[in-house]
Formats: sequence, C-alpha cells, structure tokens
Amino acid sequence: KAGVTQTPRYLIKTRGQQVTLSCSPISGHRSVSWYQQTPGQGLQFLFEYFSETQRNKGNFPGRFSGRQFSNSRSEMNVSTLELGDSALYLCASSLEAGLLREQFFGPGTRLTVL
Amino acid sequence: AQTVTQSQPEMSVQEAETVTLSCTYDTSENNYYLFWYKQPPSRQMILVIRQEAYKQQNATENRFSVNFQKAAKSFSLKISDSQLGDTAMYFCAFGDSNYQLIWGAGTKLIIKP
Repeated sequence: KAGVTQTPRYLIKTRGQQVTLSCSPISGHRSVSWYQQTPGQGLQFLFEYFSETQRNKGNFPGRFSGRQFSNSRSEMNVSTLELGDSALYLCASSLEAGLLREQFFGPGTRLTVL
Repeated sequence: AQTVTQSQPEMSVQEAETVTLSCTYDTSENNYYLFWYKQPPSRQMILVIRQEAYKQQNATENRFSVNFQKAAKSFSLKISDSQLGDTAMYFCAFGDSNYQLIWGAGTKLIIKP
C-alpha cells in the first residue's frame, strides 16, 4: 500500500499570500489530521477530518482552514500568510477516528514565508 | 489544559546500551491514551508504542517498553539493545477525550557506534 503523500514538499511564499497544501491518505483511511511542527513549539494539532466532516480543531486562528473530499484526500489552506507560519506541516491518516488509533504520517510540506 | 513535558532535549548513548526517555503529563482526565512516536532524520514519523491508561500492564513492542506510572503521571520509554537505526527524535503524546493529541517537545536521541 502506498503511504501518506503530501504535495508540494517545499513551498516558499511571501507575507500576505495564501497557500494550499494537499494530503492523500493511505487507501481506505477515512481520518486525516493536520499538524504544524516548529522547532520551538513542537507539534501542534490543527484539525482532523473524518468522512468529510471536521471532527476537531486546534487552537489556531481562522486563517487556517481545511477540507476533506469524498475520496478522503484533504487540503489545508492558510490565508494572509505571516512569518510565523513558516513550519513543517504534517498530515496523518488513520483507518478510524478512535483515541487509540495509529496515525500514519506523511513526509510533510516545508513552508517558508519570507 | 493538558500538557506533556519531555525534560531531556537531547540524549546520546553507545550502541547496544539501554536508554530511557522520560515523559510526564498533566491531566484531570481518568481515561486517556499515551503514545511514543519516532521521527528519524529526514524520514516520516512512525508510531513506536501506545498505552491505554486503564491498563495497568506496561506496553511492550520488541526492544521498546514503557514504564507507565499513572499516579505520578509519568510515561517513560525504554529502548533496550539500542541500534544505530534508533537515532531519531522521539515524541511523547497524550490522547484526550476530545480526540486530540497533545505532543511533547521531543527528545533527540543519538546512538553512537
């Protein structure tokens, strides 16, 4: 089975722009979660989608949004980019949405905001 | 608010030695889940081991085992017979009733040949 894929792998944007990141989960997985990873803050939960519905949302401003399509692929959008949005954005998929679920992570999208 | 603390930013040991990574957490919940994830250099994050809080028996996966002390809110990871491939960032995570994972800052583990 193919693993979780994320595109693009690297992205450079300037302040004020917007960006869309894509995540394709493992085939059959219905849950997709997004995380922001920075050296200072570690991993922080952005949101989780399950069967096209947002199940949970972390403590991020409304500039961060996402969606999930019927094929479980997910996109994350960040509008009005700020320098502090520079980070590695990780996507993780799981078969179900339970607490004990094992999450399978993608390689991440490295976003640099200049 | 739930928090997860990994007090060791970096550790290094010789190959074949045993190493223990510490993790403490703070929560008022009684039912939760704990995880250790590993992120090798330039590679994807993978699950190492997980523990359900209501189970008293410590989880074990081959060379990886945990010491779960619920009263002390401690969840340490022991790696026995360490191998070069164990070099990675190790993250402790807490799964709460809101289905969120709260992550520690990570411990960088270096296995020296």
